[in-house]
Amino acid sequence: GDSVTQMEGPVTLSEEAFLTINCTYTATGYPSLFWYVQYPGEGLQLLLKATKADDKGSNKGFEATYRKETTSFHLEKGSVQVSDSAVYFCALSEKTSYDKVIFGPGTSLSVIP
Amino acid sequence: DSGVTQTPKHLITATGQRVTLRCSPRSGDLSVYWYQQSLDQGLQFLIQYYNGEERAKGNILERFSAQQFPDLHSELNLSSLELGDSALYFCASSVEWEPHNEQFFGPGTRLTVL
Repeated sequence: GDSVTQMEGPVTLSEEAFLTINCTYTATGYPSLFWYVQYPGEGLQLLLKATKADDKGSNKGFEATYRKETTSFHLEKGSVQVSDSAVYFCALSEKTSYDKVIFGPGTSLSVIP
Repeated sequence: DSGVTQTPKHLITATGQRVTLRCSPRSGDLSVYWYQQSLDQGLQFLIQYYNGEERAKGNILERFSAQQFPDLHSELNLSSLELGDSALYFCASSVEWEPHNEQFFGPGTRLTVL
């Protein structure tokens, strides 16, 4: 079945460091890919998405490119801030007989000043 | 604010009891999803409703059930509660059920079973 794998956390970075959170997926067809972010005490919110191969999603300085050949959707940011501290979830959605979103386990990021 | 509301925010109950969690989707959203988030299981999809009808089932226990009403709000019923049911329960909504649609999450209901 479909699945999403993310790098294990927690990740701790200094402010202005470069961030990469790896995400790979397994799917039977052509899924849409998402990154959601969960700030402390809140629900998840969409950070960015890509709906087809080679699409690049971007938002708030974060980017991820849909790589079909490597089945990956790695999240990157050039310079993280303390306010980026949160849990990041990679997810896929594939319309088969129904629509279901499958989330990865989440990667906790702490950015220290 | 995502526009999705969930009540109650916190719920403390005892084993064997039954509780109902309520979710109001964003105005105009027809699809409602329920998720369970716990430390050991992560974020688990439970069930999805679209315009009043069940669309998909995930890892939902038989002790749990849900429904979506004509006004599109949804309720998740948890019965014969066990300690392991303690978790954060999220509701999310989306416009329709296309796979590229963004899901908007509510703030969650934290359930504690003692």
